[in-house]
Amino acid sequence: EPEVTQTPSHQVTQMGQEVILRCVPISNHLYFYWYRQILGQKVEFLVSFYNNEISEKSEIFDDQFSVERPDGSNFTLKIRSTKLEDSAMYFCASDAPWELENTGELFFGEGSRLTVL
Amino acid sequence: KNEVEQSPQNLTAQEGEFITINCSYSVGISALHWLQQHPGGGIVSLFMLSSGKKKHGRLIATINIQEKHSSLHITASHPRDSAVYICVGLSGSARQLTFGSGTQLTVLP
Repeated sequence: EPEVTQTPSHQVTQMGQEVILRCVPISNHLYFYWYRQILGQKVEFLVSFYNNEISEKSEIFDDQFSVERPDGSNFTLKIRSTKLEDSAMYFCASDAPWELENTGELFFGEGSRLTVL
Repeated sequence: KNEVEQSPQNLTAQEGEFITINCSYSVGISALHWLQQHPGGGIVSLFMLSSGKKKHGRLIATINIQEKHSSLHITASHPRDSAVYICVGLSGSARQLTFGSGTQLTVLP
């Protein structure tokens, strides 16, 4: 079964450091997403990405965050200067265009846990 | 601003019971996902609904567009169904998602 893979599974970093979280979406999917979940809180939408550009972003996704798809397979989330409050589980997901696959199922990665000290 | 509200927040049931989790959503949301988050944190998509009803095994999801309400039902619940169930609203062609706060379901043997 196709799956979304994320690396690293856990990263510990010092406040102020840059972090890059990586995701490999399912190969024929065209929509990609990043979400995060702070411990004990609900999942929050960060950004959606389509056709090599951001299609939607939330208030959380400020200038500290950026996404890109550098090589046609990886989808990365960069946090430029991490803050303590960036500590969370970050999930990547992808799905296919509804015209091609009308299940609408979202495929999630296992998540990358970021701990900022 | 799009909103999604789930109820109940916590639900404890005995094995075999029929379970219902509810979700209400605001104008602007055109479809809903139901997700299951396992105790280890992994997230699995259960259904995406824009109208009507879908069934997969013991899981049934319904949506009432006029009332802006969706329900997730689990028949013959089992302890392995214990998880957080999350309702997620989808709006716009650009795929903005609004997450509900989740329902922690515990099914006791």
